[in-house]
Amino acid sequence: SQQGEEDPQALSIQEGENATMNCSYKTSINNLQWYRQNSGRGLVHLILIRSNEREKHSGRLRVTLDTSKKSSSLLITASRAADTASYFCATDPQAAGNKLTFGGGTRVLVKP
Amino acid sequence: EPEVTQTPSHQVTQMGQEVILRCVPISNHLYFYWYRQILGQKVEFLVSFYNNEISEKSEIFDDQFSVERPDGSNFTLKIRSTKLEDSAMYFCASGPPPGSPLHFGNGTRLTVT
Repeated sequence: SQQGEEDPQALSIQEGENATMNCSYKTSINNLQWYRQNSGRGLVHLILIRSNEREKHSGRLRVTLDTSKKSSSLLITASRAADTASYFCATDPQAAGNKLTFGGGTRVLVKP
Repeated sequence: EPEVTQTPSHQVTQMGQEVILRCVPISNHLYFYWYRQILGQKVEFLVSFYNNEISEKSEIFDDQFSVERPDGSNFTLKIRSTKLEDSAMYFCASGPPPGSPLHFGNGTRLTVT
């Protein structure tokens, strides 16, 4: 698979449930970032986790990073209808400042 | 909160025509980027720009593409002779020094007919 692959590709949940999505990558990274994209809009940065970090929280978001497995996960707890969007992981390779490589994204639908 | 703004939001052009996509980055950012997203595909890096020169570019960014910071606020992407396959959403982004999150604009949807 290519750098920054998310799975699942799509996720449908009920409001209040948790949503978990995963990202795998191939090369060494400086950091890994998660972005959200509402339909037809730009990418909004959610959270950045550095290669020496294992877990990070921001509000209802929890991100983990396992550099030995080259994988990351994004957990959205107590989802809301407003969380409906596509979520992308993006890897920032070492020594390639901010030349981000994006995955294909996970489309999340939160049903009210 | 400061935003990256892009104009126009949608541009339709005929094959072979030149287009200029415009961006106003966040004022205190010094690093600027263009990414694109072909419909249904991944967001792809095109070019990064710092200190009035290109710092890195991808294979996509061939001689048909150029970037410029014509004044203290605008950052432009020019495609000299558009091709059908240039149809995509083009995102401008700006940021502090690399290793920090990027701030993206809402994109310009370019349609080449």
